[in-house]
Amino acid sequence: AQSVAQPEDQVNVAEGNPLTVKCTYSVSGNPYLFWYVQYPNRGLQFLLKYITGDNLVKGSYGFEAEFNKSQTSFHLKKPSALVSDSALYFCAVRGARGSTLGRLYFGRGTQLTVWP
Amino acid sequence: KAGVTQTPRYLIKTRGQQVTLSCSPISGHRSVSWYQQTPGQGLQFLFEYFSETQRNKGNFPGRFSGRQFSNSRSEMNVSTLELGDSALYLCASSSSGSEIETQYFGPGTRLLVL
Repeated sequence: AQSVAQPEDQVNVAEGNPLTVKCTYSVSGNPYLFWYVQYPNRGLQFLLKYITGDNLVKGSYGFEAEFNKSQTSFHLKKPSALVSDSALYFCAVRGARGSTLGRLYFGRGTQLTVWP
Repeated sequence: KAGVTQTPRYLIKTRGQQVTLSCSPISGHRSVSWYQQTPGQGLQFLFEYFSETQRNKGNFPGRFSGRQFSNSRSEMNVSTLELGDSALYLCASSSSGSEIETQYFGPGTRLLVL
């Protein structure tokens, strides 16, 4: 069964500091992992994904994520946080076959607040 | 390309009524998935359609239904609304729905049931 955990409901960081939003996953089969961001009263915006290959994935707005198979983690990172990065972040894993096709399994979300 | 569009953006209904929400996918995308987002349950999968066929369904009662048209536009319907159906309903589209494709989300329809 596919599942994702985001262990932190909230992450606070000062502007200019590096940020990390954590995600661990559990899958049967190959892990196809995604990060989305949601601003207030908006839909989900795609940031990046891991399908295969290089463990460090670069995405939109300066974000990157590190895939670690042994730790079953896919943490989102940014070297220097901006106040405008404040939003709700979701990690998701994709269903691969049969009854899970076309379905994303989401974590509970992590509220990121960047202080000026 | 235009993104995923959803109409209406906001909706207020009363218990017992029914509602229909619409989703137009990105041009060329044939897979449309629907999700319900609530503060308590988070993001939950409703169903996925591809080429007018429902391929996958989440764990929701039969009051929740959907369909897809030949132009890939999709609608979802909720009958006999309950207070707990108040939520943000999101649709997402992808080209074929394969596991490596990105799903692109619309802005959502916020439904309030009174």
